[in-house]
Amino acid sequence: GAGVSQSPSNKVTEKGKDVELRCDPISGHTALYWYRQSLGQGLEFLIYFQGNSAPDKSGLPSDRFSAERTGGSVSTLTIQRTQQEDSAVYLCASSETVTGELFFGEGSRLTVL
Amino acid sequence: SQQGEEDPQALSIQEGENATMNCSYKTSINNLQWYRQNSGRGLVHLILIRSNEREKHSGRLRVTLDTSKKSSSLLITASRAADTASYFCATDSGTYKYIFGTGTRLKVLA
Repeated sequence: GAGVSQSPSNKVTEKGKDVELRCDPISGHTALYWYRQSLGQGLEFLIYFQGNSAPDKSGLPSDRFSAERTGGSVSTLTIQRTQQEDSAVYLCASSETVTGELFFGEGSRLTVL
Repeated sequence: SQQGEEDPQALSIQEGENATMNCSYKTSINNLQWYRQNSGRGLVHLILIRSNEREKHSGRLRVTLDTSKKSSSLLITASRAADTASYFCATDSGTYKYIFGTGTRLKVLA
């Protein structure tokens, strides 16, 4: 596609439910990143993929968070048993290499009631 | 943890004036990038400067890097109302984990 695509753009869920956020990176980009941004704050690193492997998962806040990437393309971020503090915008970015410019999607805004 | 800290947190200037924002970081880096964010959604890449570079220009943007002070500055010359946004620096320490700063909210008044 022309750019990084994220879905859903907005998600409202009840506390305790599981949610899946999807990221479709730019075709051919080997690196994929997930960040979280709370209202008015900076970006919090969650995880990055090089191909299908995730060399660094250190940013995942808890074991309720997991992410996978298949076929070196689409990535899914899953949050189990959501809590109110999970409410944030989840941003995905991809890059042609791990040392270059990041291209961001428009984000998925998650609201946990 | 945040690697970069932008300064000031917020900046308000008149159209036509220059805007300068600074970024400080903690560990040695391979490169530093500046991004812009409108309305709290996707970020747009502005400029990348490598650790062996000291200054870089792109249109009305000028970025400097001082690795001895672990700091960078972004200068926007002749600002426009459309430059109103949040600006973030992001650093790569060689682990490919780009860490973003806390951002500077710039408001350009027409």
